[in-house]
Amino acid sequence: DGGITQSPKYLFRKEGQNVTLSCEQNLNHDAMYWYRQDPGQGLRLIYYSQIVNDFQKGDIAEGYSVSREKKESFPLTVTSAQKNPTAFYLCASSTLAGELTDTQYFGPGTRLTVL
Amino acid sequence: QKEVEQNSGPLSVPEGAIASLNCTYSDRGSQSFFWYRQYSGKSPELIMFIYSNGDKEDGRFTAQLNKASQYVSLLIRDSQPSDSATYLCAVKYGNKLVFGAGTILRVKS
Repeated sequence: DGGITQSPKYLFRKEGQNVTLSCEQNLNHDAMYWYRQDPGQGLRLIYYSQIVNDFQKGDIAEGYSVSREKKESFPLTVTSAQKNPTAFYLCASSTLAGELTDTQYFGPGTRLTVL
Repeated sequence: QKEVEQNSGPLSVPEGAIASLNCTYSDRGSQSFFWYRQYSGKSPELIMFIYSNGDKEDGRFTAQLNKASQYVSLLIRDSQPSDSATYLCAVKYGNKLVFGAGTILRVKS
């Protein structure tokens, strides 16, 4: 089955810990994205990547880091510098970043809670 | 700052009625517009997109775009209880999507 997988589904972090969220896609999409969603709010862009070994900051990149070593994978690390990391994290991918009809498809999400 | 505004709702409609969801955006340079449905605790699912002025129909869903007035809307005909969800409007600027906060729709049987 083609799609986007995220793991884990639920993640609990202690204060001061770094954690890494996994995102894998087998859709052969070039572009991948990370969003954060807080209750009652829309999605906010953290980072995005259009090509392997290249990525750009989104609107709320502080306290997060990413890598894009393979086309299929775009892991997100939530560092201890992120002051309020409790949120629902969504990974998305698309075929042609910048094209008019380029459509983003989402993985199932990871719910991160800081204890 | 590129903004996308939606009424948070909840919008309540009876089963079988037409639900009308609206979205306004701030930047006239916007290229294309997307509607996603999000069930509670789940990730967004694409409903449809539109980039030309006018109407675009897909089954029970119709997207309407008016670039002069900077609004986009989604009509859901013959609303069903399974349509109860949060509907997210997203506007494309270059390589990025900017999302509204979403409108909660409740369809009552």
